Amino acid sequence: QSALTQPASVSGSLGQSITIYCTGTSSDVGNYNFVSWSQQYPGKAPKLIIYEDNKRPSGVSNRFSGSKSGNTASLTISGLQAEDEADYHCCSYAGSSSYVFGTGTKVTVL
Amino acid sequence: QITLKESGPTLVKPTQTLTLTCTFSGFSLSTNGLGVGWIRQPPEKALEWLALIYWDDDVRYNPSLESRLTITKDTSKSQVVLTMTNMDPVDTATYYCALRPYHWFDPWGQGTLVTVSS
Repeated sequence: QSALTQPASVSGSLGQSITIYCTGTSSDVGNYNFVSWSQQYPGKAPKLIIYEDNKRPSGVSNRFSGSKSGNTASLTISGLQAEDEADYHCCSYAGSSSYVFGTGTKVTVL
Repeated sequence: QITLKESGPTLVKPTQTLTLTCTFSGFSLSTNGLGVGWIRQPPEKALEWLALIYWDDDVRYNPSLESRLTITKDTSKSQVVLTMTNMDPVDTATYYCALRPYHWFDPWGQGTLVTVSS
């Protein structure tokens, strides 16, 4: 059970769109529609922003969207805002009631 | 409103056993389908799923740590307890508990930093 691969950092200017990729395998990301994404500010707990690949919890901005193709899931943040500067983590169900997280991505707003 | 809060020692010595408690409110762990999980995050590093306990007492562990972990629940006290044996400095991390409503974790507790040092 290896961690899902994410880029260490992604940056974008205010108002731009950025995409964070999360690459797994056919045993996790590619086999289930259960990728979730969390946003984490420094010193704070993660907060769910996407679940089941592309669903947004109530109260989460529609600037956040999720998708998946094969073994790679992606999180797109459109209309980048200063408050989007945070760490983002993907997580996938990996079968047998187990889970695997991604390596985490730091988003910087330029 | 669902809340979870972790408690336990902030400092443990190498080889000791760590015991952490997650106390929650706003849901019952006897509800069909629910689970409570433990996830940790070493300083400046990635999240790592550790263990899960389900409403029906089924337990699951990260295979790489399974031999060191035990997760239990006390439904009447709304608590989930995680023990990790043979602690090492590399186990220094913030330990979180979180509700697993289905195949995601939400919400999370505030986390508790555990330092392993002699």
